Order: sequence, then structure tokens, then C-alpha cells
Amino acid sequence: AAGVIQSPRHLIKEKRETATLKCYPIPRHDTVYWYQQGPGQDPQFLISFYEKMQSDKGSIPDRFSAQQFSDYHSELNMSSLELGDSALYFCASSSTDQSFKAFFGQGTRLTVV
Amino acid sequence: GEDVEQSLFLSVREGDSSVINCTYTDSSSTYLYWYKQEPGAGLQLLTYIFSNMDMKQDQRLTVLLNKKDKHLSLRIADTQTGDSAIYFCAEWEETGANNLFFGTGTRLTVIP
Repeated sequence: AAGVIQSPRHLIKEKRETATLKCYPIPRHDTVYWYQQGPGQDPQFLISFYEKMQSDKGSIPDRFSAQQFSDYHSELNMSSLELGDSALYFCASSSTDQSFKAFFGQGTRLTVV
Repeated sequence: GEDVEQSLFLSVREGDSSVINCTYTDSSSTYLYWYKQEPGAGLQLLTYIFSNMDMKQDQRLTVLLNKKDKHLSLRIADTQTGDSAIYFCAEWEETGANNLFFGTGTRLTVIP
């Protein structure tokens, strides 16, 4: 079965650079969530989109932005990267009829040096 | 706000049962979940339980929910070395913020 696809799997950036993370949800899923998981920490919710509109916002820094496109894929844009942004970034998706059931991608490991 | 707590570590011998516990504070949680995370990997949905249920069984997994005490547990029968991972409890409130709140995670180590 198709799963949530995230790219890239690994990314190394320098401080103050910009990074773009991509997420391709499970087919027919219309909701996408982004989570950040720091080393040894639990995942923290950043932002979510439903039908290409932002539906909820968590602890997402102002330096980050995200959007969902017409094909339902989503991108998380991170600017002015800081060392503390180094983390595993997860995308999850769900469908309207089972919105309580989120499936996660494998994550993108971002390392800021 | 939501607060989901778990003990950090659990070690069991292969073949024994594992019980991972979770407590939460949000009484309006609608669904409660168990996710498994293997090293460097994504979060795999293991099972979930609706808040009006007390128990759910799925093969080797048994979820028990005590809504009065806001306590959730995951029992893994006949634990195998492949079960070694971090297990996250998470809760989701249908009428609230449409996202999951995760516990701190329990690292399960299975000793051969």
C-alpha cells in the first residue's frame, strides 16, 4: 500500500541557509500535518493543512512557512536556519472520513551545521 | 493544555509480555493511539482506541483504557527482539485542535 513519502530523507544545511522539505500524502488523503522531533524528544506539532488551506498552527517559528498544493502535496520552507532547527521532520496525512487516523512518513532528518 | 506522560524505559526478556503505560490529562480526548518508532525511522501507527472503549485487542497487542483515571496501556504478548523500539502514546480530540499530542515515548528493550 502507498505510504506518505517525504523528501529528501537527509539534508545538511549551514546556518542562515534555507531548506525546503516535501511531503506527498497517501492518495486520496486531503489533510497533511507537519511535526518536528528534536533529538530524544517527542514529536511536536507544527502546522496542518486541509484541502490546501491551513487548518491549524502549532509551535511553528515565524521563519518557517508551509503550504499545500493542488495535488495535495505539501512543502515546509525553513529560512534563516539555526543550529536548533536540527531535527527529524515528519509529515503525516489523513482522509476526511477517517481524520482521526494519521499515517506518518519516514521523516526528513535536517542537520544544520 | 494537553499533557501526555510515559515512563522513559522498559526492559523485558524475549517471550515475556511487555506493558507500556501512558497517562493523559485532557478528558476530552476522543482517540488514543500507540505509535512505534524504530531507530531513525518514521512513526508507525500500531493501534488506536476510541474513548468510549475499554479494551481493544489486535493479535499480540492489547490496549486497555481507564478513562476515569486517564490511563492507557499497551500490552505486547510474547515480546520479540523486533519489538525493540520507542513507543509513543498520543491523543487526539475530535472537537479541538486537529492534531496529535504525543507522550514522551517509552524505549522498549527486548533482551534475548
